[in-house]
Amino acid sequence: DAGVIQSPRHEVTEMGQEVTLRCKPISGHNSLFWYRQTMMRGLELLIYFNNNVPIDDSGMPEDRFSAKMPNASFSTLKIQPSEPRDSAVYFCASTDSGRSNQPQHFGDGTRLSIL
Amino acid sequence: DQQVKQNSPSLSVQEGRISILNCDYTNSMFDYFLWYKKYPAEGPTFLISISSIKDKNEDGRFTVFLNKSAKHLSLHIVPSQPGDSAVYFCAASADNFNKFYFGSGTKLNVKP
Repeated sequence: DAGVIQSPRHEVTEMGQEVTLRCKPISGHNSLFWYRQTMMRGLELLIYFNNNVPIDDSGMPEDRFSAKMPNASFSTLKIQPSEPRDSAVYFCASTDSGRSNQPQHFGDGTRLSIL
Repeated sequence: DQQVKQNSPSLSVQEGRISILNCDYTNSMFDYFLWYKKYPAEGPTFLISISSIKDKNEDGRFTVFLNKSAKHLSLHIVPSQPGDSAVYFCAASADNFNKFYFGSGTKLNVKP
């Protein structure tokens, strides 16, 4: 079975540019989570969706960040405009929230560098 | 405010010895706990879990202990192997869409 697929794996762009990170969850999973990993804070939850509906976006750092889930097999995290402090590894994870006590399954992340 | 804390950022252990990784939590509503292992350039992978109705769960070389009164979780790896060198995250859930709160991670180095 394919796991969670994230693209791109690496993104280097200049400050002020728009950045779009993509995620395809595991088929059949109905909850999707976006995390950011930094040295200082570890794994921060940015936003999560259940059945394509955003449930909690309180972790989104600023209005520059937005996330969408147009269907059950695709989600995007967008940063516009990007800033150097957004440089981090961004992970997407999915799980079947219809079953309790299930682990989340992570993608391999997108390493983002804003110059 | 971090609801799950891993106070040791790193741990170094000799191959063959026991590795003990610790985790503390503050929310008494948490009822499901996980450990994840993360290698560089990869996503975290699920390692072992424990439900709050248990105090111990074992899977091969890995054992997780839960002390609910102390709100403390630990992962024991016996014997430790160089391939266990990774960052370990603990995570806790109150069974809400399987949303987890993660600790900041402990980097384990197992020396040959």
